[in-house]
Amino acid sequence: DSGVTQTPKHLITATGQRVTLRCSPRSGDLSVYWYQQSLDQGLQFLIQYYNGEERAKGNILERFSAQQFPDLHSELNLSSLELGDSALYFCASSVESGAANTGELFFGEGSRLTVL
Amino acid sequence: QKEVEQDPGPLSVPEGAIVSLNCTYSNSAFQYFMWYRQYSRKGPELLMYTYSSGNKEDGRFTAQVDKSSKYISLFIRDSQPSDSATYLCAMRARAGNQFYFGTGTSLTVIP
Repeated sequence: DSGVTQTPKHLITATGQRVTLRCSPRSGDLSVYWYQQSLDQGLQFLIQYYNGEERAKGNILERFSAQQFPDLHSELNLSSLELGDSALYFCASSVESGAANTGELFFGEGSRLTVL
Repeated sequence: QKEVEQDPGPLSVPEGAIVSLNCTYSNSAFQYFMWYRQYSRKGPELLMYTYSSGNKEDGRFTAQVDKSSKYISLFIRDSQPSDSATYLCAMRARAGNQFYFGTGTSLTVIP
């Protein structure tokens, strides 16, 4: 058990809908990362937050947004869903950010999104 | 060109074999190198972590980093069926927040 909690584990929805994925980082971790994993693309970095502030942005679509709350949990919002958004969405956390980060990312179990 | 290249496999070996998994990269600024293991339908878990060049051993696992060749390897000795998983390499620069992952190599160890 990595200590990172993601909900829901599975989600099935229709095209055009909006969903919210939730992540609780390990106790004491200030950084949260979101990744998308699909069969043909591997792990794609979406966005990173550190202590409530956005720190880095990857290949995140404009239809997607995220935030990190004062209690350090994070939510990833996916809107106007398309079939191609079906994937595993992982949250990962680490203690620090930037140069002080030793490189240990701890992943949750993921949220499997199916868009029909 | 991708930042990190990893042969997706699949790789199938008999139990007890030595397994070699590799990644190449293009960014000479990468300083931290990691190997993650991902079982089916689970999140990746950190297996090995190395800073800069050199070797690191942990039980049956050895991670090697050759920065001059921009090449990293993970060796698994006496492979077990429980090692069957996808192995992802990851790396990042000293400055910056982004981790770069390989696409993963699927490994099956046959009893």
